[in-house]
Amino acid sequence: EIVLTQSPGTLSLSPGERATLSCRASQSVSSGYLAWYQQKPGQAPRLLIYSASSRATGIPDRFSGSGSGTDFTLTISRLEPEDFAVYYCQQYGGSVAFGGGTKVEIK
Amino acid sequence: QVQLQESGPGLVKPSETLSLICTVSGDSITSSFWTWIRQPPGKGLEWIGSIYHSGNTNYNPSLKSRVTISLDTSKSQFSLNLRSVTAADTAVYYCAKGSGWHYYWGQGTLVTVSS
Repeated sequence: EIVLTQSPGTLSLSPGERATLSCRASQSVSSGYLAWYQQKPGQAPRLLIYSASSRATGIPDRFSGSGSGTDFTLTISRLEPEDFAVYYCQQYGGSVAFGGGTKVEIK
Repeated sequence: QVQLQESGPGLVKPSETLSLICTVSGDSITSSFWTWIRQPPGKGLEWIGSIYHSGNTNYNPSLKSRVTISLDTSKSQFSLNLRSVTAADTAVYYCAKGSGWHYYWGQGTLVTVSS
């Protein structure tokens, strides 16, 4: 069973700054089967990235995903006010697991 | 536009069975895998399991002994049964399309386990 560890737990940044979120897997994630989601309070998660680096339909290009093997990154190039939320990574290569989440909060 | 809607009791007693239904509209339920995911209050997401239209299922090993996911193609619905619940099963339960990444989600339904 693959365990995903996200860091940091909380990221305090200002609008316009760059956000870099990490997701580390306990074993290699096959074929880059990794997704990223954004979740705001009271809402279902929103798919941002799948297959490690493919943006989902309708997702702005300030969101980008990278990585392979056991280390993956979600980058938000310039934070907009609506980007402050919790972000989860998910691996789906075989079994399925989510990371514990990173909260991006306004500094 | 694909839409998913969860329905079922919001309160379940300890040791009983939690039963939820997800109704799919705007898409054929025979077109994909369908998944249940849950989120305890203030915590992260937990994958419960998935079902394909053939009836093949895949469950979270930690829940496998208590979970059944089934499909009713005539009603365009899939369902979740979770047996012998405890307070630890209190969560918002989401249904979603797909078995890997999920673009379409239901709004979620809170199920509280309490006597």
